[in-house]
Amino acid sequence: EAQVTQNPRYLITVTGKKLTVTCSQNMNHEYMSWYRQDPGLGLRQIYYSMNVEVTDKGDVPEGYKVSRKEKRNFPLILESPSPNQTSLYFCASSLRVGGGTEAFFGQGTRLTVV
Amino acid sequence: SQQGEEDPQALSIQEGENATMNCSYKTSINNLQWYRQNSGRGLVHLILIRSNEREKHSGRLRVTLDTSKKSSSLLITASRAADTASYFCATDPDTGGFKTIFGAGTRLFVKA
Repeated sequence: EAQVTQNPRYLITVTGKKLTVTCSQNMNHEYMSWYRQDPGLGLRQIYYSMNVEVTDKGDVPEGYKVSRKEKRNFPLILESPSPNQTSLYFCASSLRVGGGTEAFFGQGTRLTVV
Repeated sequence: SQQGEEDPQALSIQEGENATMNCSYKTSINNLQWYRQNSGRGLVHLILIRSNEREKHSGRLRVTLDTSKKSSSLLITASRAADTASYFCATDPDTGGFKTIFGAGTRLFVKA
């Protein structure tokens, strides 16, 4: 089954404790992306990747890191989480760079930083 | 910055009625997509319309695009209680980069 898998689904952590949210897709998609969703703000793009070893900042990259060592995986790293990073996070992938193809979303990771 | 802005923010209708949601954006785009989200779950793609298209249909969905006004509308005909969800437009700005920009969404509630 074609899917985007995020883990964990729920995470509560303390300020400053490094964490990684994993994302994996099994569709051989080129483009992968991370979003955060906050009430009233919709989805805001954090980082995106056009292919292996090629990443770029979205609209809200501060406090986040990503890597794309393999085509299927695109982990999101919070080196020193802060309470303002409490949010619902989504990973997505699509076939090609440059839009024009639908994005497939993971089920989301609800992160709480206390 | 948010490019796509949907209105209304929330919409409540009776089952069987039509629901219309609008999306406005600021810069030139390559294409515009509509997505649906059920209660905090992952988004599901509904329909894509390219910048050189004016209208597109998929089942009970009809999307229009007016690039001169930088706006799009999503019409759901003969709505059902199961259509209750949030709907988002997403654009790929024609700015040389590869960002995707989502609006804040319209929450649709269909009463049975």
